[in-house]
Amino acid sequence: ETGVTQTPRHLVMGMTNKKSLKCEQHLGHNAMYWYKQSAKKPLELMFVYNFKEQTENNSVPSRFSPECPNSSHLFLHLHTLQPEDSALYLCASSQDGYSGTEAFFGQGTRLTVV
Amino acid sequence: QQQVKQSPQSLIVQKGGISIINCAYENTAFDYFPWYQQFPGKGPALLIAIRPDVSEKKEGRFTISFNKSAKQFSLHIMDSQPGDSATYFCAASTILTGGGNKLTFGTGTQLKVEL
Repeated sequence: ETGVTQTPRHLVMGMTNKKSLKCEQHLGHNAMYWYKQSAKKPLELMFVYNFKEQTENNSVPSRFSPECPNSSHLFLHLHTLQPEDSALYLCASSQDGYSGTEAFFGQGTRLTVV
Repeated sequence: QQQVKQSPQSLIVQKGGISIINCAYENTAFDYFPWYQQFPGKGPALLIAIRPDVSEKKEGRFTISFNKSAKQFSLHIMDSQPGDSATYFCAASTILTGGGNKLTFGTGTQLKVEL
């Protein structure tokens, strides 16, 4: 395993629901990431946190709300999603952002919005 | 705008053959070029990576060739095996001002190695 654990692995939610995705890394890394993987599209960076501070929001709609309480945990709070938000959501972590640092990915949460 | 273009979309290779996947980028600020391998139901895992000041890097059966002037790089898998059947993503990285790295991915190549 990569040391990055995501829960739940699968989630089905209605458009009016509120749910949260959880990510935990056991690698001692300082940076954590949310990526979105949709069919036939490149993995797309959503948010970056470094030492608990958000350093990147890649123009993500406000219905996605990240939270990083410490360097080991990352959440993605979801509310009033659209069917087009159905995708695999991947969490990743890396050591501090010097050039060439490897990103370790979790197995992802497969989200279906109905 | 897709900043990293990857081809082919899918590839079928015979066992023992060479698999070649190509990528091209536009942003000269990229400073690190990793390749990720993803199996069904798993997250991507780093396979091999190269910096732009190196023209080639080899790790076992996997080789990256890098052409900085053409802004192209490729992955070669020698002696391809059925266990190599997976989706391969090229990526390019930049450091974010506030910390962390931004990986820009290609669209992926689905490789199937047949017996």
